[in-house]
Amino acid sequence: QKEVEQNSGPLSVPEGAIASLNCTYSDRGSQSFFWYRQYSGKSPELIMFIYSNGDKEDGRFTAQLNKASQYVSLLIRDSQPSDSATYLCAVGTVSGSARQLTFGSGTQLTVLP
Amino acid sequence: GAVVSQHPSWVICKSGTSVKIECRSLDFQATTMFWYRQFPKQSLMLMATSNEGSKATYEQGVEKDKFLINHASLTLSTLTVTSAHPEDSSFYICSASDRGLQGYTFGSGTRLTVV
Repeated sequence: QKEVEQNSGPLSVPEGAIASLNCTYSDRGSQSFFWYRQYSGKSPELIMFIYSNGDKEDGRFTAQLNKASQYVSLLIRDSQPSDSATYLCAVGTVSGSARQLTFGSGTQLTVLP
Repeated sequence: GAVVSQHPSWVICKSGTSVKIECRSLDFQATTMFWYRQFPKQSLMLMATSNEGSKATYEQGVEKDKFLINHASLTLSTLTVTSAHPEDSSFYICSASDRGLQGYTFGSGTRLTVV
């Protein structure tokens, strides 16, 4: 059974600090990795995706992937109160002709002003 | 960017009635759509994979006769919750997959309350 686990929250950081979110997955056949942000009562919105080992940066966000360790993380630099949300790690595998996503349970982040 | 429209955004229905939720891809063809359910404080759980022109694939534990999925065109998938009960109250979200996309696009979700 495919499992995606995220570090337990909630996580609180002061404004301007770096927030670090972690995720591990069990299926070595996983090919794509996503970070979504979900505000309360809203649907998830894609922040970043990463396919290859290493770091991928987009503005204040950096995704890190280590397939050997089956580990993916998200760093948020210069955290803002508007970053307060639940962050979902999702891992994609191919099933038939479509890719399916398995979600982690999410980490609730609070950025304190 | 890719847009997925989901309607209604919220619905309240009486126990025993049926509710239909629509999911449309507005600017791309979605050969596959996914339906998720999310209970409060929990993550998204995949219910079924909807394939255009063929039967949906349901996840273990999801009743296919209760949650009817129709994907009759490349831009529309519907989820019908039949004979709804209070325990079906949840946040239902669709997402669409296209091989050309770098990520999955989610609809805005439907908050279903069964009273």
